[in-house]
Amino acid sequence: AAGVIQSPRHLIKEKRETATLKCYPIPRHDTVYWYQQGPGQDPQFLISFYEKMQSDKGSIPDRFSAQQFSDYHSELNMSSLELGDSALYFCASSSKSGLVRSDTQYFGPGTRLTVL
Amino acid sequence: KQEVTQIPAALSVPEGENLVLNCSFTDSAIYNLQWFRQDPGKGLTSLLLIQSSQREQTSGRLNASLDKSSGRSTLYIAASQPGDSATYLCAVRRGFGNEKLTFGTGTRLTIIP
Repeated sequence: AAGVIQSPRHLIKEKRETATLKCYPIPRHDTVYWYQQGPGQDPQFLISFYEKMQSDKGSIPDRFSAQQFSDYHSELNMSSLELGDSALYFCASSSKSGLVRSDTQYFGPGTRLTVL
Repeated sequence: KQEVTQIPAALSVPEGENLVLNCSFTDSAIYNLQWFRQDPGKGLTSLLLIQSSQREQTSGRLNASLDKSSGRSTLYIAASQPGDSATYLCAVRRGFGNEKLTFGTGTRLTIIP
């Protein structure tokens, strides 16, 4: 079965640079979530989108922004990167509507961001 | 603010034993609870989801229970195998309109061959 796809899998940036992470949800899933997991930490919720609209917001810094596009993929844009932004960034998807409604959040493999 | 705790932080058991992982949460007003496993440096694999109205869910050798009123969930693993070695995380979701999962800090399980 198709899973959540994230790209790139690894990303190395310098301080103050920008980064864009991409997430492709499971087909027919309409909701995407972004989480950040620092070294040795549990995942922290950043933001979510349903049908291209922001549905919930967590501890996302103002330097970060995200959106969901008409094909349901999502992008997390990160600017003025700091050393503390180094983490594993997960995208998850679920389906709120239609024949495949599921409350389970299915996670992608993550993007490992390293800020030098 | 919801707090999710998993004790112990690490657990080692011999292969073949049955074991129980614990998860407790401070706010019993949850919508559902999900158990995940995470291999080192890897993504999160969903194992089981229990809705707030349910008491347990089973998948193969895994059984998860939920006692919402006492703020506790357990994940029971039968006949453990070395391949079960991973970090197990529980996560709670507050409500239908509230999307975020609040994660516990996990239990790192090692199955000794």
